[in-house]
Amino acid sequence: SAVISQKPSRDICQRGTSLTIQCQVDSQVTMMFWYRQQPGQSLTLIATANQGSEATYESGFVIDKFPISRPNLTFSTLTVSNMSPEDSSIYLCSVDGDGYTDTQYFGPGTRLTVL
Amino acid sequence: QQPVQSPQAVILREGEDAVINCSSSKALYSVHWYRQKHGEAPIFLMILLKGGEQKGHDKISASFNEKKQQSSLYLTASQLSYSGTYFCGTERGTYKYIFGTGTRLKVLA
Repeated sequence: SAVISQKPSRDICQRGTSLTIQCQVDSQVTMMFWYRQQPGQSLTLIATANQGSEATYESGFVIDKFPISRPNLTFSTLTVSNMSPEDSSIYLCSVDGDGYTDTQYFGPGTRLTVL
Repeated sequence: QQPVQSPQAVILREGEDAVINCSSSKALYSVHWYRQKHGEAPIFLMILLKGGEQKGHDKISASFNEKKQQSSLYLTASQLSYSGTYFCGTERGTYKYIFGTGTRLKVLA
């Protein structure tokens, strides 16, 4: 399975500011995924990032609020823009385990608190 | 729509068995199970594919009823390390993953 790291691991931010979260994978992967996990809740897919094309966003998530970059096959960033306290969550990136099944392998997550 | 898991929470003693259910309102073609410990990332446990293939993990096994659109996770002789939140998950279209509501499990010594 891929080894995934995220930066920062946690942050406390002020309302109205933006934070960029980085996700690094130790091997080349086609698809990377970004999830949000609100306190005590399940995981919700924000968007899917394919290298060389624009990210695909799920219903309820828009590019202006969560711009994503995918410059190469091992790296992606998620920006949470113009933050409000409702954005306080854990943000996780993940990759497919292999090309056969839909197994997901997750990074350690970024715990974001917005004041 | 998100798969619904039951129970929402369960407490058991070391050595006891537990069953966690995952029910979907839409057809399931595969089901995967994850465990997440507090403050950590979800860890893949197993996947069940349409057609009955299932891959076990230690004393954790699972079943998949395609017709009923349900899956169940069986934890046998629970260990303290089994504590965490369990999520089922499935794919709703290409690269559109959706996770269940979650079941919090706590194993007491």
